Amino acid sequence: DIQMTQSPSSVSASVGDRVTITCRASQNIGNLLVWYQQKPGEAPNLLIYAASTLHSGVPSRFSGSGSGTDFTLTITSLQPEDFTTYYCQQANSFPLTFGGGTTVEIK
Amino acid sequence: EVQLVESGGGLVQPGESLRLSCVDSGFSFSDHGMRWVRQAPGKGLEWVSAISNSGGVTYYIDSVRGRFTISRDNSQNTLYLQMNSLRAEDTAVYYCARLVNHYMDVWGKGTTVTVSS
Repeated sequence: DIQMTQSPSSVSASVGDRVTITCRASQNIGNLLVWYQQKPGEAPNLLIYAASTLHSGVPSRFSGSGSGTDFTLTITSLQPEDFTTYYCQQANSFPLTFGGGTTVEIK
Repeated sequence: EVQLVESGGGLVQPGESLRLSCVDSGFSFSDHGMRWVRQAPGKGLEWVSAISNSGGVTYYIDSVRGRFTISRDNSQNTLYLQMNSLRAEDTAVYYCARLVNHYMDVWGKGTTVTVSS
């Protein structure tokens, strides 16, 4: 199974800050990496697929990069609605696996 | 608007069964693979099962293989998850999600399964 290691598990930031979340795969997954945002009590929402492609309707302050085993999600100029939890997921092979999640908290 | 609606969750005792359903509206259900993903209380996301658009190919996480069965009825635009021999560790919110290429772009709101004596 491919293990996905996400860091940090939580980060404190202020509105307007830039935040970077990293995700490392235990083996090469090419660009088959997906990022989701999940707000409390809600289903996950797709943010980015194929490591760097922004899903329709997602604000441009979100961006993704990386390939192989190392990936990043960057949020520039944090907005109040961005303070929530983010997950990476590898789509390379079954079993599909998620990172442990990163919670972006208000400082 | 594309929408997925899950149902069938509830409170059951260990060893009992449940069948979850997920009904789509607004897209060509039979064109898409589908997934079940769960989230235990206060925990992260865990993929559970997957099925191809035709229903001919299925996958399971090891912890549910042999106990859970994923299926679909394309004539009814419905996805199912038959869950047998339920355990306390199966307690979670279960989400169905639509697959597009390699990612899940539409998710239902989830249905809650609680396994407890």
